[in-house]
Amino acid sequence: QVQLVESGGGVVQPGGSLRLSCAASGYTFSNYGMHWVRQAPGKGLEWVAIISYDVVSKNYADSVKGRFTISRDNSMNTVYLQMNSLRVEDTAIYYCARDMYTNGWGGIDYWGQGALVTVSS
Amino acid sequence: QAVLTQPSSLSASPGASASLTCAVRSDINIGPYRIHWYQQKPGSPPQYLLTYRSDSDKQRGSGVPSRFAGSKDASANAGILLISGLQSEDEADYYCMMWLTSASMAFGGGTKLTVL
Repeated sequence: QVQLVESGGGVVQPGGSLRLSCAASGYTFSNYGMHWVRQAPGKGLEWVAIISYDVVSKNYADSVKGRFTISRDNSMNTVYLQMNSLRVEDTAIYYCARDMYTNGWGGIDYWGQGALVTVSS
Repeated sequence: QAVLTQPSSLSASPGASASLTCAVRSDINIGPYRIHWYQQKPGSPPQYLLTYRSDSDKQRGSGVPSRFAGSKDASANAGILLISGLQSEDEADYYCMMWLTSASMAFGGGTKLTVL
C-alpha cells in the first residue's frame, strides 16, 4: 500500500531554515509527481509546491516562491522541501502528497500524516 | 477573489442527502476542469474522495463508498459533492480542489459538514 512519511519538522526562529523529507513506499516512486501542501492551525489547505516525476519541472505557490525549494531523489524514493527565510505565517502542518496521474500531474490521491513546522521567536 | 469558494458550514440529518458546492471564479469556465474532493477529520490528514469532470471522466478513490458522488452545475459554474444516506461518520471538513493551467493547485476554503 502507498505510504508517505514526513520528517524534519520542528520549531525554528523567523528567518531560519528547515528541511522536510518525505519517504515514499508501496509504489513506483519515479512514475509520479509529488506535492507539498500545508495547513495553518485551524485553517484550510494551501498548496505549496510540485515536482514532476522526472525532476524536470517544478512550480511553487507565490507565497513561498524564492524561499522554498522542492527536490527529489528517485533512487531514495524521497522528496524534500528546503525552507529558507521562514516567517511566522509559514507555521503549519506540511503534508507530502502523491499526484494521482502517472508521468503527469493534476491531482492528489495519497497524503502523508504531516510534519508540524512552527516559526516563532 | 478566490479561485474556489465553498460555504463554510452545512448541516444535515442522518439518512438525508447533503449537496456541497464549490463555486469556480467567474473568469474560469469549469467545463474542461477536473474537480477533486477531499474529506478531512480532526487530527487526520485529508483523504481523497473522488474526481469529476464529466459523466465519462470521473473516478472514486479506493474504498470510497458509492454514497459519495460528484457532478457539476454548469449554469452556476460550480462543482458539487453529493453525499447520500448521511452517516455520523461523514461529519468532517470537505475540500474541493482544481489543477490550474498555470501548473498550480487551488483549494476551496472547506465546508464543515455537521450530521445531526
